[in-house]
Amino acid sequence: GESVGLHLPTLSVQEGDNSIINCAYSNSASDYFIWYKQESGKGPQFIIDIRSNMDKRQGQRVTVLLNKTVKHLSLQIAATQPGDSAVYFCAEIRTNAGKSTFGDGTTLTVKP
Amino acid sequence: DTAVSQTPKYLVTQMGNDKSIKCEQNLGHDTMYWYKQDSKKFLKIMFSYNNKELIINETVPNRFSPKSPDKAHLNLHINSLELGDSAVYFCASSQKQGGGYTFGSGTRLTVV
Repeated sequence: GESVGLHLPTLSVQEGDNSIINCAYSNSASDYFIWYKQESGKGPQFIIDIRSNMDKRQGQRVTVLLNKTVKHLSLQIAATQPGDSAVYFCAEIRTNAGKSTFGDGTTLTVKP
Repeated sequence: DTAVSQTPKYLVTQMGNDKSIKCEQNLGHDTMYWYKQDSKKFLKIMFSYNNKELIINETVPNRFSPKSPDKAHLNLHINSLELGDSAVYFCASSQKQGGGYTFGSGTRLTVV
C-alpha cells in the first residue's frame, strides 16, 4: 500500500540551530509535495510545496529538498526559533488521481 | 475573515448520542474534506466532496454521514457516538482535488 512516513517522530533543537525534518514516500506517481506546520490547538498550515519536476525550493527560512530516486523529502528550517515549535507533516499528492496522503508528523521542539 | 471555519470548537458528549459538526469555507474552493486526527497526531482522510458530490469515502463507519448543501459547506453528522470516535476532526478545502489544503481550526470531540 501507499505510505508516507517521517523518519523521526520527535526532534529537539537549540534556538538558532538549523532543523532538518525528513519524510519518505512510497508512491512514485506522486507529483506534488507539501509541508504543513501544525501548532498546538490549530489546524495544519501550508508552509511550502514542491513539484516533482524540481529538486529544491526555497522560502523564507525554509527549504524543501526532493530526491525522487530514493523517494525522500526534507524540510530544512534555518535559524530555528521558538515559534517554529510545532508538528510538521509532509503530504504527497497525485494530482491526476486527486488523492493525497499525509505522513505521521514530526514534533519539533525548540529549546531557548 | 476565517477562510475555513468549523463549529463547534469543542464537543463533549455521551456515548450513544448523535452530533453534528459544521464547516464553511469562503475561499471559493471546489473541494472540501473531513479529516480525523487521533491522539498520535496522525491525519486520516474520511471524506472528500467536489462541488457537492462525494468523491472519497474512506473506510469510515456508516455512523458518519457527510452532507454538502452547497460547495461552500460540508457538515459531518455522527450517529450513536462511541468512545473511539474521540479525536480532533478537521475540515479542509482546496481549489481542486488533491491540491494544497486550507484547514479549519479543528473540532475536538470527546465521547464519555
